[in-house]
This record gives sequence, structure tokens and C-alpha cells, in this order.
Amino acid sequence: KNEVEQSPQNLTAQEGEFITINCSYSVGISALHWLQQHPGGGIVSLFMLSSGKKKHGRLIATINIQEKHSSLHITASHPRDSAVYICAVLNYGGSQGNLIFGKGTKLSVKP
Amino acid sequence: DVKVTQSSRYLVKRTGEKVFLECVQDMDHENMFWYRQDPGLGLRLIYFSYDVKMKEKGDIPEGYSVSREKKERFSLILESASTNQTSMYLCASSLPGRAAFFGQGTRLTVV
Repeated sequence: KNEVEQSPQNLTAQEGEFITINCSYSVGISALHWLQQHPGGGIVSLFMLSSGKKKHGRLIATINIQEKHSSLHITASHPRDSAVYICAVLNYGGSQGNLIFGKGTKLSVKP
Repeated sequence: DVKVTQSSRYLVKRTGEKVFLECVQDMDHENMFWYRQDPGLGLRLIYFSYDVKMKEKGDIPEGYSVSREKKERFSLILESASTNQTSMYLCASSLPGRAAFFGQGTRLTVV
């Protein structure tokens, strides 16, 4: 079983829809990242969180440490949000900064 | 802005060639990482380094070596490239326990 599981693997939405991507993990963590990867490859860190909730523009990330679960929400989705979204956890024992990655969720937002 | 720069976006090399992938970061980060990304497998750690001249094997180090002679530069070396090393290679850097910053990726094709 993978230590970090994301769902769904693929997601197609219409412009304007509210989107939720889920991440569950099975290891003790000190932090969780949400990353965005556009076609072409470069990865951008959207959020790093260890508790509660963070918001940036139309993006909201939440984490429940007790349930070992995080969600990434996109409000009023737009075609430019089309990308692969990757959940990655910083293992509690990973003091050197090593991340464990989910396999990603491919989001396509249609106009 | 943190910059993690990889020397090439696209590379085509022949089987058996020695290949160097270079990564430079400009934020004095201790940690640097090399990952490869393959469809259905997600990101997998090849090697990481937590200080100059220090290196640790990741999940899939076979066929690769690394060099970190200066803090800002982390090189990935394919001693004798093989077709199964065709992949997207991503470099990242971070302070210990902090958010990672990624380069734009190098898509390597070995023919």
C-alpha cells in the first residue's frame, strides 16, 4: 500500500465548478505539501501546512492530523487551473527534508 | 524569489553515454534532491544531499551517482545511460524541514 494516496486520479470539471482533491497518508508527518505541475514539467509549491487551513486566492488547503487526511479545494475553477496536483508529506523522521509523494491528480477544467 | 535552475529542459543521449544533469539553487539551501518522474509511478527519489560533499541514496539510486562540490550545485550523473533511464528528472532544494522548491525539469530521452 502506498504511504500517500490521492483521489481522484483524474478529474474533469467545467469552468466555475468547485473542485476537491483528497490526500490520505499512513505515516507520521511533520508537514504536508500541495504541489502543482503544469504540462512542461515545472513544479510549484502551493502550500505547506502542518495543521488547520491555509488560503491563497481561489485555493484552500486543509489538513486533519488525527485523521491523516488533507484536501485541496479550488473555488470558481478556470481552465488555467488544469494541471497535475501532487500531495507530498514530510515524514516525521525525515529531518533532512525528504518528501513522500502521492501519484498526483490530473485536473482538466473545460471552458 | 527562490530559483532552482536545471541546465537543460530537453536532452537526447545515446545508450552508453555519460550524462550530466546540473542543478543550481540561489537560496543557500542545505538540502538538494534529485527525483525522476514516470507515468503511473509519480516522483521517486534518486539521491539527496544535506551538505557539501554529503550524499544519501534515495529509493532508486542504481545506475546514478551524484556530486555536490559546492553548496549551490548538485549534479546527477548517469555513468552509462540506458533506455530505461528515459524519464523526467526534477531537482529540488530546501532548508531542513521547510518547503521544497523545484526546478523546471529535464526531459531526458536515451536512444
